[in-house]
Amino acid sequence: EPEVTQTPSHQVTQMGQEVILRCVPISNHLYFYWYRQILGQKVEFLVSFYNNEISEKSEIFDDQFSVERPDGSNFTLKIRSTKLEDSAMYFCASSIRAAYGYTFGSGTRLTVV
Amino acid sequence: TQLLEQSPQFLSIQEGENLTVYCNSSSVFSSLQWYRQEPGEGPVLLVTVVTGGEVKKLKRLTFQFGDARKDSSLHITAAQTGDTGLYLCAGDNDYKLSFGAGTTVTVRA
Repeated sequence: EPEVTQTPSHQVTQMGQEVILRCVPISNHLYFYWYRQILGQKVEFLVSFYNNEISEKSEIFDDQFSVERPDGSNFTLKIRSTKLEDSAMYFCASSIRAAYGYTFGSGTRLTVV
Repeated sequence: TQLLEQSPQFLSIQEGENLTVYCNSSSVFSSLQWYRQEPGEGPVLLVTVVTGGEVKKLKRLTFQFGDARKDSSLHITAAQTGDTGLYLCAGDNDYKLSFGAGTTVTVRA
């Protein structure tokens, strides 16, 4: 079964440092997403990406965040200057079409110290 | 912000019993999706419902989308211990999913 792959599985970083979270979506999917889940809270939408541009973004996705699809397979989320409150599980997802459902990766646990 | 309310928050039943989880919103969605999430893992898609009034069955799981496309339910018949987990509903609009807080289901042997 095709899957969405995320690396690293865990990342610990100092406050103020930049981090890049990486994802390989399913190869024939067209839509790519990042979500996050703070411990004990709901899964929250960050950003959606289609046709090499951002389709939609949430209030959380401020100027400190950026996404990129640098080649035909990878999809990355960059946080420029991490804050303590950025500590969360970050999930990448992809879909052929939103109404068909999303495939989520296993997540990257980001801890900012 | 499109809010999805799930109820109940926790549900504990004996193996063999039936259960229903509800997902309600004041917003209309293009589709309503149900996921199951294990601790430390990403949500795994169970089903999507798109048409108002639609009913989908996956073995012992029955999913229904409300006529107005604002609410949904998940019904499990003759629950098994393997059904234990966190069930999430999510409404899809405009290239994004809005998730409910989830229902933790525990099926006791």
